[in-house]
Amino acid sequence: ILNVEQSPQSLHVQEGDSTNFTCSFPSSNFYALHWYRWETAKSPEALFVMTLNGDEKKKGRISATLNTKEGYSYLYIKGSQPEDSATYLCAFPNAGGTSYGKLTFGQGTILTVHP
Amino acid sequence: DGGITQSPKYLFRKEGQNVTLSCEQNLNHDAMYWYRQDPGQGLRLIYYSQIVNDFQKGDIAEGYSVSREKKESFPLTVTSAQKNPTAFYLCASSADRGGPEAFFGQGTRLTVV
Repeated sequence: ILNVEQSPQSLHVQEGDSTNFTCSFPSSNFYALHWYRWETAKSPEALFVMTLNGDEKKKGRISATLNTKEGYSYLYIKGSQPEDSATYLCAFPNAGGTSYGKLTFGQGTILTVHP
Repeated sequence: DGGITQSPKYLFRKEGQNVTLSCEQNLNHDAMYWYRQDPGQGLRLIYYSQIVNDFQKGDIAEGYSVSREKKESFPLTVTSAQKNPTAFYLCASSADRGGPEAFFGQGTRLTVV
């Protein structure tokens, strides 16, 4: 089983706080790293697809960085708002070997932003 | 509208019965996936398929079966051999080997009664 780990498992912050979470993944056979947001009663939706070492992507108050050599990615949320409350998932598509094309998700980080 | 359709949204099954969950996509995606989510846990991969007539076991394939006879369709059968079938099931698709972003259906909540 491919190891895709996320931390922390859950996070409670106050409105206006900035926060960040981590996704670690195997550094071999790297193809891409995905971040998704999963809001209650909705389907997961992609935030970022990151492919290059050192990549940094931004969407509004949310940004992500990627280090493929050491196998980790950070997701940052600046000035959290209650509508940011969701589960944040990272996913790792396997680019080689017998698990070619397998898309493995981390356990997710549950973010709750309190007004 | 392009997307993934899962049906039904809720499903009740008696113990010992097989049941099939439907997943259809009109995104022209090659790759399709089935995941299971249990309370307090992440998404665990059941089966995945990169191309028609081919599929691979994921991490928790025991008690499940799939088929991929058409590009658009990837039905999942939960057999009576699955010990704990009550869960939330999500289907996803991606354009190529899971590299581009995955798109998800609305999910099916299966309850064994």
